[in-house]
Amino acid sequence: GENVEQHPSTLSVQEGDSAVIKCTYSDSASNYFPWYKQELGKRPQLIIDIRSNVGEKKDQRIAVTLNKTAKHFSLHITETQPEDSAVYFCAAYGQNFVFGPGTRLSVLP
Amino acid sequence: SQTIHQWPATLVQPVGSPLSLECTVEGTSNPNLYWYRQAAGRGLQLLFYSVGIGQISSEVPQNLSASRPQDRQFILSSKKLLLSDSGFYLCAWGVYSGNTIYFGEGSWLTVV
Repeated sequence: GENVEQHPSTLSVQEGDSAVIKCTYSDSASNYFPWYKQELGKRPQLIIDIRSNVGEKKDQRIAVTLNKTAKHFSLHITETQPEDSAVYFCAAYGQNFVFGPGTRLSVLP
Repeated sequence: SQTIHQWPATLVQPVGSPLSLECTVEGTSNPNLYWYRQAAGRGLQLLFYSVGIGQISSEVPQNLSASRPQDRQFILSSKKLLLSDSGFYLCAWGVYSGNTIYFGEGSWLTVV
């Protein structure tokens, strides 16, 4: 079955800097890759997603890139703000959704 | 627009007691439905998913069960809770396989 790895597990950046979170997947048949943000004690919420026929997608300060050959995808957050602090989960959909273990992002003021 | 409701929001249950968590979706028909569990500070573990009434697939053997008595209703149950069942339980729905899934507010379960 699908296996999703996510790095780093924790990430601290200064406000205004960029943050990058990387995920790898094992199933080459996976074709949909969403990213979720989970604030403490709340539900995960979709922030951006990408399909396998697209290499990059951007939404304001957030972008996702996908390398199908290498089977990895990354979340890029530019100009980070304190409210970006949360746990971020990547996921890959092949036969079902498989989530990465999460990255705890801390944006330091 | 579609909404998902999940309850109860929190509960504290003794070991060996039963469990019932309920989830309903509004504003869509024949959704895919999911139950996930999240242990404290951990990732999301898929427990069950359903593509239609009475169709339940289990991802992890455990003392939990799921049922889908109606198109937009998904229930997570246990006859006897274990301490290890403690966690944050999330119901989710999706329009069809391979599309975005959206999570409910979650239910915090503490087994004591």
